[in-house]
Amino acid sequence: DTAVSQTPKYLVTQMGNDKSIKCEQNLGHDTMYWYKQDSKKFLKIMFSYNNKELIINETVPNRFSPKSPDKAHLNLHINSLELGDSAVYFCASSRSAGDYNEQFFGPGTRLTVL
Amino acid sequence: AQSVAQPEDQVNVAEGNPLTVKCTYSVSGNPYLFWYVQYPNRGLQFLLKYITGDNLVKGSYGFEAEFNKSQTSFHLKKPSALVSDSALYFCAVRDNGPGNTGKLIFGQGTTLQVKP
Repeated sequence: DTAVSQTPKYLVTQMGNDKSIKCEQNLGHDTMYWYKQDSKKFLKIMFSYNNKELIINETVPNRFSPKSPDKAHLNLHINSLELGDSAVYFCASSRSAGDYNEQFFGPGTRLTVL
Repeated sequence: AQSVAQPEDQVNVAEGNPLTVKCTYSVSGNPYLFWYVQYPNRGLQFLLKYITGDNLVKGSYGFEAEFNKSQTSFHLKKPSALVSDSALYFCAVRDNGPGNTGKLIFGQGTTLQVKP
């Protein structure tokens, strides 16, 4: 069983479109994260939810909107896609935001905006 | 501001030789440090962490890291490198800022190339 899964794995779309990426974890964790990895492999946190509550909201365009329907799921919706949104988006989870346990990462979603 | 630096973009080592991937950090308060590995087209995999206690931390796949408070470093090491260790390695520090969010701040990554 995959611990943290993401769909789709690849996403190719035109500028201006709206798209969503889904993430699910079956680890029973309370906290989930979205990261963006750019073309230089630099990894940066975007959002985090703890028990469905938004706890990290970094400086990202408001075209990006996370949504957590329950503890096991965290989705990322992107409106009006731009060329600069092309990146690999990783979902991760950890047992709880307040502890010092490691984060478990999904396989990533490679988004290409044409 | 809290930060992590990995001063080498790439480290090359021959198979069987020891390897070191460097990491230095800057945090307020106690540092909580992590190493992750990313194989091509894969997500990050946790290797090891330092929270407290012994300065030498042992992790997965034979890797270990040495926490050095005076030098603010947390270098990743392995006594004998394998070709299969070739990957991108990230050092990270847990953000000690307000909110206790568990946020990780990552270094820029170091590509390890192990040659046969």
